[in-house]
Amino acid sequence: GDSVTQMEGPVTLSEEAFLTINCTYTATGYPSLFWYVQYPGEGLQLLLKATKADDKGSNKGFEATYRKETTSFHLEKGSVQVSDSAVYFCALSDLNRDDKIIFGKGTRLHILP
Amino acid sequence: DTEVTQTPKHLVMGMTNKKSLKCEQHMGHRAMYWYKQKAKKPPELMFVYSYEKLSINESVPSRFSPECPNSSLLNLHLHALQPEDSALYLCASSRGGQGGSNEQFFGPGTRLTVL
Repeated sequence: GDSVTQMEGPVTLSEEAFLTINCTYTATGYPSLFWYVQYPGEGLQLLLKATKADDKGSNKGFEATYRKETTSFHLEKGSVQVSDSAVYFCALSDLNRDDKIIFGKGTRLHILP
Repeated sequence: DTEVTQTPKHLVMGMTNKKSLKCEQHMGHRAMYWYKQKAKKPPELMFVYSYEKLSINESVPSRFSPECPNSSLLNLHLHALQPEDSALYLCASSRGGQGGSNEQFFGPGTRLTVL
């Protein structure tokens, strides 16, 4: 079945550092890919998405490119802030199959001032 | 309005109590979801409603009973829960349907503690 694998962390960086969180997926169809973020004590928020190969999703300085050839959707940000400390989930959804979203295990990010 | 609301925010209940969690969205979404999330884990899907009909039940114990009174509301009725059911319960909604990206919009969750 479809699956998502991401680095589990925790990842600890200093403020203004460059961030990469790796995500790879396995899918039989043509899924849409997402990054969700969960701040402490809150629900999940959609951070960005990409619906087809070579699409780049971006939001709040974060970017991720849908790479079909490497089945990857790595999350990047050029300069992180303390307020970016959260848990990040990579996810996929194939609407042609069902309404489910498949989540990775999540990556906890700590940004030090 | 792009918000999913959930009440209550916190709930403490005994193992013999009956309580309900409520979720509401006014985005015209046709699919609504209940998830359970334990600490440091991703959300686990429990139920999916599509066009107000239960379409997916992920083998959830019968002490959890979902209900979708109309296209905007989703309830989760709780009865005879166990301490291991303590978790964050998240509601979500999505446009659904074939094609498109089907991103889900999540509520803030209900933090449930079973004593």
